[in-house]
Amino acid sequence: QVQLQESGPGLVKPSQTLSLTCTVSGGSISSGTYYWSWIRQPAGKGLEWIGHIYTTGSTNYNPSLKSRVTISVDTSKNQFSLKLSSVTAADTAVYYCARGWNSSGPDPRYNWFDPWGQGTLVTVSS
Amino acid sequence: QSVLTQPPSVSGAPGQRVTISCSGRSSNIGAGYDVHWYQQLPGTAPKLLIYANSNRPSGVPDRFSGSKSGTSASLAITGLQAEDEADYYCQSYDSSLSGPVVFGGGTKLTVL
Repeated sequence: QVQLQESGPGLVKPSQTLSLTCTVSGGSISSGTYYWSWIRQPAGKGLEWIGHIYTTGSTNYNPSLKSRVTISVDTSKNQFSLKLSSVTAADTAVYYCARGWNSSGPDPRYNWFDPWGQGTLVTVSS
Repeated sequence: QSVLTQPPSVSGAPGQRVTISCSGRSSNIGAGYDVHWYQQLPGTAPKLLIYANSNRPSGVPDRFSGSKSGTSASLAITGLQAEDEADYYCQSYDSSLSGPVVFGGGTKLTVL
């Protein structure tokens, strides 16, 4: 079955860019009608959707983060990536990658997230 | 403050039934968008528990069930077990500026 694994630096300095990669195994990232997503969770808090990239390469982002987020895909490596610029301490969180999909077709309004990666903690500190 | 409202905590004794509510509005659940539920055990990633309001993925016990009505949804857990102690999150789509993907604030289930 499909598995996802996040990787990247665990410590980022304030004002710099956070960069994470999600490696997909057990299936091709370019097949199917899937929305490859990033979701984060500050310690002790709830989940916040960051954005997704569709199989075709189109993206959609959380309006509150849109000006700082870029999600891209590398089909040759079966990976997708997250870049979050101008980070502050408020961006400290566990970052998850997940596959968004539904049984009705390419309509993200009905997506659920399954599976998820195990998550990676990113701390923003000098 | 989350767009979808959940109680911060619920509790129940082993064997009992508990429900967790997820309250939305006309731009999300009330507009007919599906609600999905996730279980997050301590120190682990969220796991899909219920999708499209009331469907269980393969492997999820039938003790877990979901329903939706109007602007709200509910997750019910019957025959509570110690291993059900976890955080539970609802998720939906929102057509307002709060969206597009929104989560509830999460509910901590304690098995007494």
